[in-house]
Amino acid sequence: DAGVIQSPRHEVTEMGQEVTLRCKPISGHNSLFWYRQTMMRGLELLIYFNNNVPIDDSGMPEDRFSAKMPNASFSTLKIQPSEPRDSAVYFCASSLQGSYTEAFFGQGTRLTVV
Amino acid sequence: QQPVQSPQAVILREGEDAVINCSSSKALYSVHWYRQKHGEAPVFLMILLKGGEQKGHEKISASFNEKKQQSSLYLTASQLSYSGTYFCGTVYGNKLVFGAGTILRVKS
Repeated sequence: DAGVIQSPRHEVTEMGQEVTLRCKPISGHNSLFWYRQTMMRGLELLIYFNNNVPIDDSGMPEDRFSAKMPNASFSTLKIQPSEPRDSAVYFCASSLQGSYTEAFFGQGTRLTVV
Repeated sequence: QQPVQSPQAVILREGEDAVINCSSSKALYSVHWYRQKHGEAPVFLMILLKGGEQKGHEKISASFNEKKQQSSLYLTASQLSYSGTYFCGTVYGNKLVFGAGTILRVKS
């Protein structure tokens, strides 16, 4: 298996633009997590899906952020409109079964909002 | 709410040992340990699921004391490749939440 695949790897956008980050989890995994990593706040959990259903989105910072998982092999994280403080590395991770099994992380998307 | 890690950073010479601690103010049922090298994604090391459990991974092992709500990661005879940031993760509700990380640097 190729592991968790994220795209794009790098994204530079202007403030106010819409940004869409993409994730393909490992086949057979039923849980998917979106994390944001910054120097100031570390690794923050944004949202957690189980069987394509959002279980907990309490970490989503604002209404500007939204996430979807239309099927078991694809998820998106959208920021609209983007702001400079959204600049961070966004990781997607998947696991076989919830939060009690090993999480496999994608290589991340480095987002820069100017 | 997140687990608390200590120390924040540690510098070692090759061959030295280190201990990284992780504690929680809430009841712990499991502890995850991950390592992240600079510019890379976090990589799983181990999960401890039972109180008092110990597990090992090469020369890296960990203990989990459920009653004390804490876990420790032991790095023995450190190698240059051990350098990175170590994160402990705990499950609060359904969520895997990570501590702030411990930066480990091994010097030759």
